[in-house]
Amino acid sequence: DADVTQTPRNRITKTGKRIMLECSQTKGHDRMYWYRQDPGLGLRLIYYSFDVKDINKGEISDGYSVSRQAQAKFSLSLESAIPNQTALYFCATSDPTSGGEREQYFGPGTRLTVT
Amino acid sequence: AQSVAQPEDQVNVAEGNPLTVKCTYSVSGNPYLFWYVQYPNRGLQFLLKYITGDNLVKGSYGFEAEFNKSQTSFHLKKPSALVSDSALYFCAVRKIGAGSYQLTFGKGTKLSVIP
Repeated sequence: DADVTQTPRNRITKTGKRIMLECSQTKGHDRMYWYRQDPGLGLRLIYYSFDVKDINKGEISDGYSVSRQAQAKFSLSLESAIPNQTALYFCATSDPTSGGEREQYFGPGTRLTVT
Repeated sequence: AQSVAQPEDQVNVAEGNPLTVKCTYSVSGNPYLFWYVQYPNRGLQFLLKYITGDNLVKGSYGFEAEFNKSQTSFHLKKPSALVSDSALYFCAVRKIGAGSYQLTFGKGTKLSVIP
């Protein structure tokens, strides 16, 4: 989805290195999310942010940190990468609503390999 | 805690035949339910959602899903499968209510439509 972009799309890094994955959106949504996808495990939530000043841990936040630089930008950092962080990482956005639940819009993903 | 089960890792169906991808959920209270599709090398795309109201929900590309509260199920269906429907399908659930913002995904079901 061109409205949600992720950089880089592919990255190979070594154990112990610091790496940042970036997400930008032009949808004007307040809410942003980071997920990781592993084969056979589906998607698991790492962090989510409801606005620039509101950041929350998800199901699997250990080993990760995030920064919400602006409404449109949400970065995920691995301070010291380890091999079991090898996965496909997705950024997503959504719009808050007072009645019901809005769907999430996903970026194309970043494939990260830690050797 | 909330959870989603997709009991079939893979579903094979002949082109033109009806298809069903199964999903059951567990939440304490009422759920929001979603189906997303992932094509190769792409992010997830929203198909449909159940918030409230009619138990039969219609979505994109001719897909529909039926919410069954007594069986805690939300199976995805399509009357006539296309080869282009071949993809990975994810069911997701979120509990309705304040303080509960995380979407839980199933592990995914790979749909293969055979020409």
